[in-house]
Amino acid sequence: DIQMTQSPSSLSASVGDRVTITCRASQSISSYLNWYQQKPGKAPNLLIYAASSLQSGVPSRFSGSASGTDFTLTISSLQPEDFATYYCQQSYRTPYSFGQGTKLEIE
Amino acid sequence: QVQLQESGPGLVKPSETLSLTCTVSGGSISGYYWSWIRQPPGTGLEWIGYIYYSGSTTYNPSLKSRVTISVDTSKNQFSLKLSSVTAADTAVYYCARLSPEWSMGYWGQGTLVTVSS
Repeated sequence: DIQMTQSPSSLSASVGDRVTITCRASQSISSYLNWYQQKPGKAPNLLIYAASSLQSGVPSRFSGSASGTDFTLTISSLQPEDFATYYCQQSYRTPYSFGQGTKLEIE
Repeated sequence: QVQLQESGPGLVKPSETLSLTCTVSGGSISGYYWSWIRQPPGTGLEWIGYIYYSGSTTYNPSLKSRVTISVDTSKNQFSLKLSSVTAADTAVYYCARLSPEWSMGYWGQGTLVTVSS
C-alpha cells in the first residue's frame, strides 16, 4: 500500500501569511495527488486535483505543486475562512490513501 | 450541480450489518465511479471502496471480506453494506463521486454511524 505522510501535523499562522503544507508519498504516484480542506462537522472539500489543477470555484490563493514524490499545497495569503484541516490523498493505486491531516490554526 | 445524500440507521449493534444508501441528484449516476469513505471521530479519512455505474467494484483490502458496494441506476443510488461490525467501525460515512480525474470532487454531507449495543 502507498503511505502518505503530511507535515506538519499542525500549524499556527496569521491572516495574510503564506503557508505551505507538504505531503510525501512512499513511492511514485505520478501526479495522482489531491488536496482537500475539511472544516469541523463538514465533509472534505476538493481544492486541488492532479497535483496542481485548481478545482472549479476554489480561490486562486490555493495552489499545488509536485517534485518527485513530494507534493506541496500553498496558500498565498491566509484568509479567516482558511483555518481548517487539510488532507492530501493519492489516487494512483488502490487502496487510495490519505495523509494524516494538517490542522491550520489561528496564531 | 450534482448533490449526494447518505441515508441509513445511525445506530447498529455489534456483529450486525451496517447498511447505507447514497442518493445522487442533479445528475446521472451513469458514466462515473462512486466511492465510500469513512472517518472515525476525531481521526483521519479511510477509503472503503468504489463502484462503477456498471457494477464493477474495488474494495480496500483491509475491509474487503466485510464490504459490499452495489448500484441501482434506476434509482440513481449506490449502497454500502459492512458486515460483522464492531465499535471500531463507528465513524462518519461519506459517499463521493470520483471526478474530476480520480479525485473526490463531490461529497455527501456524511452520516454518523455508531456501533453499540
